[in-house]
Amino acid sequence: EAGVVQSPRYKIIEKKQPVAFWCNPISGHNTLYWYLQNLGQGPELLIRYENEEAVDDSQLPKDRFSAERLKGVDSTLKIQPAELGDSAVYLCASSFEGDRGYEQFFGPGTRLTVL
Amino acid sequence: AQTVTQSQPEMSVQEAETVTLSCTYDTSESNYYLFWYKQPPSRQMILVIRQEAYKQQNATENRFSVNFQKAAKSFSLKISDSQLGDTAMYFCAFTSYNQGGKLIFGQGTELSVKP
Repeated sequence: EAGVVQSPRYKIIEKKQPVAFWCNPISGHNTLYWYLQNLGQGPELLIRYENEEAVDDSQLPKDRFSAERLKGVDSTLKIQPAELGDSAVYLCASSFEGDRGYEQFFGPGTRLTVL
Repeated sequence: AQTVTQSQPEMSVQEAETVTLSCTYDTSESNYYLFWYKQPPSRQMILVIRQEAYKQQNATENRFSVNFQKAAKSFSLKISDSQLGDTAMYFCAFTSYNQGGKLIFGQGTELSVKP
């Protein structure tokens, strides 16, 4: 079974430029999460999708961040414009609603460096 | 608000020995789930072990076991017969039905297994 796929793995951009990250969850997983992981810290949730609906985006900085999950499968997270403080690893995870234990499967992450 | 605290930023252990990683949490909920995730240098977050709060029996997965003390809100991870491949960041995490599966992570403990 294929795991959670993320691309790109690494991205270096100049500040004020836009950037986008893509995530393909495990087949059949209806819940998708985007987490932000700063260096040396635990991940923090940015947004959670149930199918195509964003059900928790309270920690997403909506002035510059946006996300979508068309057709309830793949998801894209965008930053526009990027700031120096956005340098971090962006993790995508997915889970199956039927798993009441809320086990989440993580992708390898995208490491963003903003210069 | 729920919080998760890992008070050991770094730990080291000799190969084949046993090590215990500490985690405390704070919540007013009675039904929740606790996890230990492992994040090797490659950055793929992997679930190590899961504990349901309503279960009194401590979870065990091969060389990994937990000591779950619900009244004390403590959830420690014991790794027996440590192996070089156990070298990684270990994160303690909490979620519940009210959180909708959103994982709240601790700051992490960097474990080094020395030959």
